[in-house]
Amino acid sequence: GNSVTQMEGPVTLSEEAFLTINCTYTATGYPSLFWYVQYPGEGLQLLLKATKADDKGSNKGFEATYRKETTSFHLEKGSVQVSDSAVYFCALSPQGAGGTSYGKLTFGQGTILTVHP
Amino acid sequence: DAGITQSPRHKVTETGTPVTLRCHQTENHRYMYWYRQDPGHGLRLIHYSYGVKDTDKGEVSDGYSVSRSKTEDFLLTLESATSSQTSVYFCAIQVRQDTEAFFGQGTRLTVV
Repeated sequence: GNSVTQMEGPVTLSEEAFLTINCTYTATGYPSLFWYVQYPGEGLQLLLKATKADDKGSNKGFEATYRKETTSFHLEKGSVQVSDSAVYFCALSPQGAGGTSYGKLTFGQGTILTVHP
Repeated sequence: DAGITQSPRHKVTETGTPVTLRCHQTENHRYMYWYRQDPGHGLRLIHYSYGVKDTDKGEVSDGYSVSRSKTEDFLLTLESATSSQTSVYFCAIQVRQDTEAFFGQGTRLTVV
């Protein structure tokens, strides 16, 4: 079946540090890949997505590249801020015969990021 | 905000009692989903709906049922609550299958 594995957390960084959160996946064909962010007490928000191999998703200074050869979709940011403190989820929606549903998602376990001033 | 309201936001219930969680949307979106969030598991899909009276099971549907009699409401029922159903439940809505899913703020359910 489909699965998503994220690096173990939590991750604690100082402001302006470089961030990498690793994500690898198992799925047949060409799934679409997502990063969601959850701020304290809130629901999930889509951060970025990539729908085909070698696509780069980007938003708010975050980036992730869809790497088919390594089945990875690592999240990076060059300089984190305190306001980036949140839980980050990697997710996929599988490629289906009738197309892709971006609502039927398989999530990783989440990575807690804390950024200190 | 995506116009999603989940109710109640918090609930404590006893083992063996039925519980219904409500997801209400004001967006007239066709697609709706229920997920549960547990430490170490991320979010897992319970049930989903592609329209009124059109529902199907997700990955972890045992012990849950759903109903969608109106476009705006998607109800999740725990037929006989168990401690393993203590979780945070999220509803999501989507206008088309190839568009972003928007999540509600969640319902924290504790079964004692």
